[in-house]
Amino acid sequence: EAQVTQNPRYLITVTGKKLTVTCSQNMNHEYMSWYRQDPGLGLRQIYYSMNVEVTDKGDVPEGYKVSRKEKRNFPLILESPSPNQTSLYFCASSLRGGAYYEQYFGPGTRLTVT
Amino acid sequence: KNEVEQSPQNLTAQEGEFITINCSYSVGISALHWLQQHPGGGIVSLFMLSSGKKKHGRLIATINIQEKHSSLHITASHPRDSAVYICAVPPSHYTGNQFYFGTGTSLTVIP
Repeated sequence: EAQVTQNPRYLITVTGKKLTVTCSQNMNHEYMSWYRQDPGLGLRQIYYSMNVEVTDKGDVPEGYKVSRKEKRNFPLILESPSPNQTSLYFCASSLRGGAYYEQYFGPGTRLTVT
Repeated sequence: KNEVEQSPQNLTAQEGEFITINCSYSVGISALHWLQQHPGGGIVSLFMLSSGKKKHGRLIATINIQEKHSSLHITASHPRDSAVYICAVPPSHYTGNQFYFGTGTSLTVIP
């Protein structure tokens, strides 16, 4: 089944404890992206990747890192999480970057930083 | 900054009503996407359109690129249509490689 998977789905952690949220797609998509969703602010792009080894900042990259060593995986790293990173996170992928390619979303990861 | 605005923010309708959700944007675009976020949180793509109108079942999306406006219509609404509907401006030579989203319209359809 074609899908985008994220792990973990729920995570409660403490300030400063490094964490990684994994994202994997099995559709051979070139474009992958991370978003956070906050009440009243909607979805905002954190980082995106046009292809392997090509990543770039979105609107809200501060406090996050990403890497794209393989086409299927695009992990999101929080080196030193803070409470303002408490949010719902989505990974998504599409065949290519561009206006005419459907995005496929992962199920979301709800992160709480205390 | 690329602005994408949706209205209304919240909408409650009786089953069977015709529903319209609006999206306007401040930049030139090549196309626009409509997404649906289920109450459980999952997000799916409903439409991608660059001109005119697209229809899928009871859902109809229209766009006027020159006026920078798109609408999502739901005919004969049903409680299972209750969800958050999000418009998104995808990457293009106007906006670069990023996506920009409206804040969403929360729809509740009452039986």
